[in-house]
Amino acid sequence: EDQVTQSPEALRLQEGESSSLNCSYTVSGLRGLFWYRQDPGKGPEFLFTLYSAGEEKEKERLKATLTKKESFLHITAPKPEDSATYLCAVLPRGSNYQLIWGAGTKLIIKP
Amino acid sequence: DVKVTQSSRYLVKRTGEKVFLECVQDMDHENMFWYRQDPGLGLRLIYFSYDVKMKEKGDIPEGYSVSREKKERFSLILESASTNQTSMYLCASSIQVAGGQETQYFGPGTRLLVL
Repeated sequence: EDQVTQSPEALRLQEGESSSLNCSYTVSGLRGLFWYRQDPGKGPEFLFTLYSAGEEKEKERLKATLTKKESFLHITAPKPEDSATYLCAVLPRGSNYQLIWGAGTKLIIKP
Repeated sequence: DVKVTQSSRYLVKRTGEKVFLECVQDMDHENMFWYRQDPGLGLRLIYFSYDVKMKEKGDIPEGYSVSREKKERFSLILESASTNQTSMYLCASSIQVAGGQETQYFGPGTRLLVL
């Protein structure tokens, strides 16, 4: 069964303390992996799409990487405004439309 | 920039009422989606549409219907609202490319309370 698992469920960091969020997946072939940020009461905001193992993408303090079994979202020197829930989703090969979603990691950055 | 808009941010309805949620995208995307999001259950797909007048059931279509008469507009209909349909409703759209869809872009969400 296709599955996406995100860990940890919640992460509290001090401002400036770098860390990583994990998204592990078991699917029969990967078409794409997507990272989103979601603020409370709002819709998910797109961050990155990764397609193949070894691929990396960066945006400001965020860097997403992909292996054959998992993806990491690295946060370098985070600021309080990086606090949000980060969602991971996978589009399996053989599915044109339906994403498999992880439950998300709630990130809290304390000043 | 991709823009997906939803007709309401907050809605309060009574049990048994017919409820319409509307979504509009301005990027000429072929695919449109309706999700609901509940604490502890994550994002669940209700329905999606890959073309005008075309629709497919997602994971939880019961109690919902959809309509797509124009490419830019996708409506979610609750025929007879029930309290267990209280939720955050999210619309998304994506472009179709060879081999599958590209990134889904989301609207701001509609928080629906059914009393």
